[in-house]
Amino acid sequence: QVQLVESGGGVVQPGRSLRLSCAASGFSFSTNGMHWVRQAPGKGLEWVASISYDGGQKYHADSVKGRLIVSRDNFQNTLYLQMNSLRVDDTAVYYCAKDPGYVDIRSGYPHAWGRGTTVIVSS
Amino acid sequence: NFMLAQPHSVSGSPGKTVTISCTRSSGNIASNYVQWYQQRPGSAPTTVIYEDDQRPSGVPDRFSGSIDSSSNSASLIISGVRTEDEADYYCQSYDSSEKVFGGGTKLTVL
Repeated sequence: QVQLVESGGGVVQPGRSLRLSCAASGFSFSTNGMHWVRQAPGKGLEWVASISYDGGQKYHADSVKGRLIVSRDNFQNTLYLQMNSLRVDDTAVYYCAKDPGYVDIRSGYPHAWGRGTTVIVSS
Repeated sequence: NFMLAQPHSVSGSPGKTVTISCTRSSGNIASNYVQWYQQRPGSAPTTVIYEDDQRPSGVPDRFSGSIDSSSNSASLIISGVRTEDEADYYCQSYDSSEKVFGGGTKLTVL
């Protein structure tokens, strides 16, 4: 069955960098788009980024554009979120999610979810 | 850009039917699929409805989804609500390259 395991979260100072990973198993990772979604403490879900099955299409929310960057390694079955110039309002649980399999990731959506990893940005 | 508006909270008695609405602020609700996610306290979200009205395997048929173009809204309907259904529910849709979530609705089963 689909398994998504996020890692890399922690406490980091404002302005610093962090890289999140999402290890995927139980499905054909290289043929599925992927998504990152975050949830600030006590708040709702917020889309962060999406990437197509081959990494050729990448989209980011305006709130993170230029600072948080999605990527993937289809040989390692791993999704990444490089987080640069972190801000206090980036504090959240970060979930990776599998797309149902749309070729065009613009039509895709989170379908199967990981358990999340927590990022706290604080001085 | 568009927004998805949900009621902050809804409640229902066990065995009754509860409906959660999700209204799209601009653009046609029927133009892009709507998903619904359930999030129990302390847990990750799970998909209960995808592509407007499709149910993933393992989700009880008490959960259903619909679209109403006249009100430009989607609805999640839970029939025969149970105490285990108490959770936050989020609708989600997209436009161009952007994914949008509703603000979430807290379901309380009285």
